[in-house]
Order: sequence, then C-alpha cells, then structure tokens
Amino acid sequence: DQQVKQNSPSLSVQEGRISILNCDYTNSMFDYFLWYKKYPAEGPTFLISISSIKDKNEDGRFTVFLNKSAKHLSLHIVPSQPGDSAVYFCAASAGYSSASKIIFGSGTRLSIRP
Amino acid sequence: NAGVTQTPKFRVLKTGQSMTLLCAQDMNHEYMYWYRQDPGMGLRLIHYSVGEGTTAKGEVPDGYNVSRLKKQNFLLGLESAAPSQTSVYFCASSYTVKVYGPGGYTFGSGTRLTVV
Repeated sequence: DQQVKQNSPSLSVQEGRISILNCDYTNSMFDYFLWYKKYPAEGPTFLISISSIKDKNEDGRFTVFLNKSAKHLSLHIVPSQPGDSAVYFCAASAGYSSASKIIFGSGTRLSIRP
Repeated sequence: NAGVTQTPKFRVLKTGQSMTLLCAQDMNHEYMYWYRQDPGMGLRLIHYSVGEGTTAKGEVPDGYNVSRLKKQNFLLGLESAAPSQTSVYFCASSYTVKVYGPGGYTFGSGTRLTVV
C-alpha cells in the first residue's frame, strides 16, 4: 500500500502556463514534505519542501501547497519553462531529520511544450 | 567537484550471479543511502549508514548486503541476483539526517541493473 501517491504519471503543459503537480498521502504521521526533480540519466535533486506547520512555501517560480485535512499537497510552477521538463517526485517524512522514514511517490513526468 | 559517483552505470547479470555496486562521495558526508527505483513504485530505501563501520536496514533490504569500511564509500552487494532485482539503483549522501535543502541529500546518477 503506497503511503505517498502521485496519481498522474505524466503531465503536458504549454510553456508560460502554470504546471500543477499533485500528491496524496495516507500516513497521518508525516509532518515534512518534499519535492525532488529528476532529469534523465541523473539523480534526483531537491527542489522545495514544506513543514506541516505551514500551508504554503514559495521559492521563486515554485510554490508548494499543503492541505493537511485532505492529506494532499501540490507543486505549482509558474511560469513553466522548457527546462522544467523532468520527473517530479513527491516525498514525505515523519520528522525533518529521519533518514529511514522518507517515503517517495512514484513520480510525475512533466513535459513543457513550446 | 564530483559529488556522489556510482559505478558501474549499467550492468547485465545472469540469475544467481553476484556483483557489488560502488558509491563514492567526496563531500565528507557522514550519512549514505542506497535506494532502488522501479516503475510505478518511486524510490525505496534499501540500506543506509550513519557513519563509517555502521549500517542499517531500510524498507526493502532483503537480497542485499552493504558495507561502509571507509567513510567515503558505501558498497551494495547482491550475493545471488534475481530478476526481481532488476532496477535502477541510486546512492545518496548527506551531512546529517536532515532530508531537505542544502545539507540534505545529494544523489548519484544511478546504476541501471538488469538481471536475466
């Protein structure tokens, strides 16, 4: 049973528009959430995170929203750029410093079309 | 400025063969991790190490062994490879167990292993 679910395997968005990637989780013990970005033939790289005490965190073009009651988080990218084409992994942790408890979703492949 | 280096990048094994995947980091990180990535499954933690000479089991440790004899190296061994171990393997390292941002995880570029 997957504790972190990314139900959309792929997403195609036009350049300049908003990309919205969604993630659901089932474990109420999760209190720290992260997004990783992965290009082909490279390892994942950290993108943005949010603690459960917040409902929004922004970093430039990237914003993560957390809805604890719905156990749902989303990543917004505005405006979308060609370099944003990658696989995005949602991840959750029970504690921001717990190596053994990071659970990753299955990923969403984002394609930005011209 | 190598970061985390994984060798080999690709390998094909026959069922029952053994092999070792090597992960090397040059950032003086204390913590190192091995993940596997499978279609539709995301990344799953196999084993990890919180320091030289120590290892611990992750989410999917069966069929794998690890060693951390030197701080900079973390080895993942398959004693008798099975087709279910066909996957992409990622190594990561970090200064602490902080999981995010600068000082968080640095991943290698992966090893694609096929067991036939």
